[in-house]
Amino acid sequence: DGGITQSPKYLFRKEGQNVTLSCEQNLNHDAMYWYRQDPGQGLRLIYYSQIVNDFQKGDIAEGYSVSREKKESFPLTVTSAQKNPTAFYLCASSPLTGPSSYEQYFGPGTRLTVT
Amino acid sequence: AQKVTQAQTEISVVEKEDVTLDCVYETRDTTYYLFWYKQPPSGELVFLIRRNSFDEQNEISGRYSWNFQKSTSSFNFTITASQVVDSAVYFCALSELQEGGSYIPTFGRGTSLIVHP
Repeated sequence: DGGITQSPKYLFRKEGQNVTLSCEQNLNHDAMYWYRQDPGQGLRLIYYSQIVNDFQKGDIAEGYSVSREKKESFPLTVTSAQKNPTAFYLCASSPLTGPSSYEQYFGPGTRLTVT
Repeated sequence: AQKVTQAQTEISVVEKEDVTLDCVYETRDTTYYLFWYKQPPSGELVFLIRRNSFDEQNEISGRYSWNFQKSTSSFNFTITASQVVDSAVYFCALSELQEGGSYIPTFGRGTSLIVHP
């Protein structure tokens, strides 16, 4: 089945540790995105990538880093510099051309808790 | 100012009632895209519809319908004969052209719909 996988579903870390969230897609989409969702808030864009080895900062990139070494994979690292990392993280992908261009398809999310 | 305003934070209805979720957006672009997504309790967002700025035709898909009005910058979503399975948070999003040449969405804060049996 085609789709987006994120792992793990729940993640617990101690303050001061870096943590990497996985996102993989087999939809052959060019673009991939990372969002953060806090209770009662919409989705806020952290980073996005339209092509391998290239990515752009979103609205709240501080304290996060990404890589895009393969088209299928877009891991997100939450660094110790992120002041309030506890949140629900959603990964998405979208085609950039064709009738479904810019329609985003989301993974199941990772709920990160940092104590 | 928010680019996408979903003024209704939470709506509660009884099954079989019709319900309309409002979305008002703000943009200076002439070319843009509007979207609705559904987020059930499981957390994964599900794409519902995309509309481009040049297509004001309303759309119906089963019990779902969308009313796009450029004159009022609104893209409202109506569920007819609501069901308990419609309970979810619904997000409206606006995609505008960014400097890099891509359309990046801005999401509203969402409307939580609760359908009681």
